[in-house]
Amino acid sequence: DGGITQSPKYLFRKEGQNVTLSCEQNLNHDAMYWYRQDPGQGLRLIYYSQIVNDFQKGDIAEGYSVSREKKESFPLTVTSAQKNPTAFYLCASRHPQETLAEAFFGQGTRLTVV
Amino acid sequence: QKEVEQDPGPLSVPEGAIVSLNCTYSNSAFQYFMWYRQYSRKGPELLMYTYSSGNKEDGRFTAQVDKSSKYISLFIRDSQPSDSATYLCAMQDNAGKSTFGDGTTLTVKP
Repeated sequence: DGGITQSPKYLFRKEGQNVTLSCEQNLNHDAMYWYRQDPGQGLRLIYYSQIVNDFQKGDIAEGYSVSREKKESFPLTVTSAQKNPTAFYLCASRHPQETLAEAFFGQGTRLTVV
Repeated sequence: QKEVEQDPGPLSVPEGAIVSLNCTYSNSAFQYFMWYRQYSRKGPELLMYTYSSGNKEDGRFTAQVDKSSKYISLFIRDSQPSDSATYLCAMQDNAGKSTFGDGTTLTVKP
């Protein structure tokens, strides 16, 4: 089945540690996105990538880093510079060439700083 | 001021009620309007989309767009307990960038 897989589902981090969230898709989509969702709030764009080996900062990129070495994979690293990392993180992908293309979301990773 | 404002809720309605979910926006560059449904602890799923002013119907769901007023709505008829979820409006510009509302949590009680 085609889709987006995020792992792990739950992640705990000690303060000062970097952690990496995995996002893999087999939909053959060029564009991939990372969003952060806080309780009672919508999705805020962290980083996005329109093509392999290229990515751009979103609205809240500070304290995060990404890589796009393969079309299928777009991992997100939450660094120690992110002051409030506890949140629900969602990865999405879509065909950027289509004028209106549905974004397919993974099931999310809930990150908690302990 | 946010580009997209969504009625915050939460909403709690009895089964069978008509539900109205609403968003306003300020960016005239938005051309496409979407509604996503998100169940608890899951990723959002696209429910409906439209790109022109007017109504679009899909079963019990109707998406309404008024570009002149920069206002969109989602109506749910004969609401069911399975409709209980958070509904997110999203707007997309021609460059493909989407901006989401904060979501409205709906509970439909049997």
